[in-house]
Amino acid sequence: EAQVTQNPRYLITVTGKKLTVTCSQNMNHEYMSWYRQDPGLGLRQIYYSMNVEVTDKGDVPEGYKVSRKEKRNFPLILESPSPNQTSLYFCASSSWTGNTGELFFGEGSRLTVL
Amino acid sequence: EDKVVQSPLSLVVHEGDTVTLNCSYEVTNFRSLLWYKQEKKAPTFLFMLTSSGIEKKSGRLSSILDKKELFSILNITATQTGDSAIYLCAVPDPAGGTSYGKLTFGQGTILTVHP
Repeated sequence: EAQVTQNPRYLITVTGKKLTVTCSQNMNHEYMSWYRQDPGLGLRQIYYSMNVEVTDKGDVPEGYKVSRKEKRNFPLILESPSPNQTSLYFCASSSWTGNTGELFFGEGSRLTVL
Repeated sequence: EDKVVQSPLSLVVHEGDTVTLNCSYEVTNFRSLLWYKQEKKAPTFLFMLTSSGIEKKSGRLSSILDKKELFSILNITATQTGDSAIYLCAVPDPAGGTSYGKLTFGQGTILTVHP
């Protein structure tokens, strides 16, 4: 089954404790990206990757890091989480060569930073 | 900076009503506009629009783009309770000629359909 898998789905952590949210897709997609969703603000892009070893900042990259060492994985790293990073996070992927416009989303990771 | 604005931010209707959701945009390199539906989980793809005046339809949902006035509308006819969701529009700023690069979403419209 074609899917984007995020882990963990729910996490409560404390300020300053490094964490990684993993994202993996099994569709051989070139494009992957991370978003955070906060009430009233819609989805805001954090980082995106056009292909392996190619990443770029979205609208809200501060406090986050990413890496794309393999095509299927695109982890989101919070080196020193702060309470303002409490949010719902989505990973998404697409085969931009298909040009259909469909972005496949993971189920979301709800993060709380105390 | 690219900007995507949706209106209204929320809407409450009764089953059978017709609704129109709006999405206006200001982007540097326009290629396409996307509509998504988000229920309790991840957004799911509805439409991609690239050309003005060509309506996309899927059942009771339809959408059209006006590239001159820089907006799109999403219509839902004969609404049902299952249409209750957040509707998101998004505009990619394509990198190197591809579909995606930076992707800017609007705030979303929360639609509630009462029985």
